[in-house]
Amino acid sequence: AQRVTQPEKLLSVFKGAPVELKCNYSYSGSPELFWYVQYSRQRLQLLLRHISRESIKGFTADLNKGETSFHLKKPFAQEEDSAMYYCALGRRALTFGSGTRLQVQP
Amino acid sequence: KAGVTQTPRYLIKTRGQQVTLSCSPISGHRSVSWYQQTPGQGLQFLFEYFSETQRNKGNFPGRFSGRQFSNSRSEMNVSTLELGDSALYLCASSLGIAGGLTYEQYFGPGTRLTVT
Repeated sequence: AQRVTQPEKLLSVFKGAPVELKCNYSYSGSPELFWYVQYSRQRLQLLLRHISRESIKGFTADLNKGETSFHLKKPFAQEEDSAMYYCALGRRALTFGSGTRLQVQP
Repeated sequence: KAGVTQTPRYLIKTRGQQVTLSCSPISGHRSVSWYQQTPGQGLQFLFEYFSETQRNKGNFPGRFSGRQFSNSRSEMNVSTLELGDSALYLCASSLGIAGGLTYEQYFGPGTRLTVT
């Protein structure tokens, strides 16, 4: 069975500090991985996906098949990054992690 | 383009009743997926429809069912409601999969169901 683990429920950093949101997965085959974000009072929306290899809002995520990880990183956190972040695995049927709340303090 | 819409936004039902939730996808999207979100279990996949056919189903009891109409609008139904069915039900639409590429899922605002 496929599984996504986000070990941190809450990550609190100061503005300008680096951020790393952890995501580990369990899947047999070639995974398709995503990061979704939910800002306060907004809908869940796609932040980035591993196949695109792009940087969105300064965030990047690299798929490490050896460590079965897809950690989300940003070198300098901004207050507007405060949100709930979900790592997800799958194609038609997404398996979500439990989410990490990122709080960026001024 | 208008986003995914879900109706109603809030619903209160009593144990044993049934409920129908509706989802209107983004125009042109033929894939509609449903998810249940609870504090304890997080986001869990319920089912996915594409062109009126159920393509995938999550690990939920048969009380949970759905359907999709020819205009891609989808409904999900929960019969014999239990207290544990209280949750935020999210609908997502996408273009589906083509040429090996999985298109992005766009989520609606959700329907908050409370079972008393």
